[in-house]
Amino acid sequence: QKEVEQNSGPLSVPEGAIASLNCTYSDRGSQSFFWYRQYSGKSPELIMSIYSNGDKEDGRFTAQLNKASQYVSLLIRDSQPSDSATYLCAVNNGSGTYKYIFGTGTRLKVLA
Amino acid sequence: EADIYQTPRYLVIGTGKKITLECSQTMGHDKMYWYQQDPGMELHLIHYSYGVNSTEKGDLSSESTVSRIRTEHFPLTLESARPSHTSQYLCASSESTTGIYGYTFGSGTRLTVV
Repeated sequence: QKEVEQNSGPLSVPEGAIASLNCTYSDRGSQSFFWYRQYSGKSPELIMSIYSNGDKEDGRFTAQLNKASQYVSLLIRDSQPSDSATYLCAVNNGSGTYKYIFGTGTRLKVLA
Repeated sequence: EADIYQTPRYLVIGTGKKITLECSQTMGHDKMYWYQQDPGMELHLIHYSYGVNSTEKGDLSSESTVSRIRTEHFPLTLESARPSHTSQYLCASSESTTGIYGYTFGSGTRLTVV
């Protein structure tokens, strides 16, 4: 079992819809959770971070964390074609090493 | 403007050559990292550093080496490049002392060994 798992996709949603991206992790001691967006041929860009159970909203993005079920999700409201990218989930394993474990990413396609 | 810089952006080099990929950041971050990523594939940690004179190997076996003589500078060296080294190399830094902040990535170096 991988430490951080994501469905590779592609996840296709129509423009204006809500895109829901999911990530599960194996280490119960994980403390910090991040979502990165990576356009093809570019480097990852941090878009959301979350540390406590519940929801965290930032503009069109909402991160959701459930530590008991060991999953973190990202919702993108009013999806735009410019949101088409690969979304990487990253987890800090809480061991104090400050290394982040990345998932393989979910490719999102927003159809105009 | 605080940022993280990688040079060169693209490099095509012959087998057996020694190369150094440069990474510098102006944010004063203690923690710096090198990742390798093939197209459409996941990120693999190859080296990291928690400060000056501190370097560790990552999870992916690598024939590269790194140094951290200055806080802002974290170069990666391949002593003898091989076609299997062809990949994208991403440098990142982190401010966090508690692990609660994410990484800032550089633009990457796309290396092709022929």
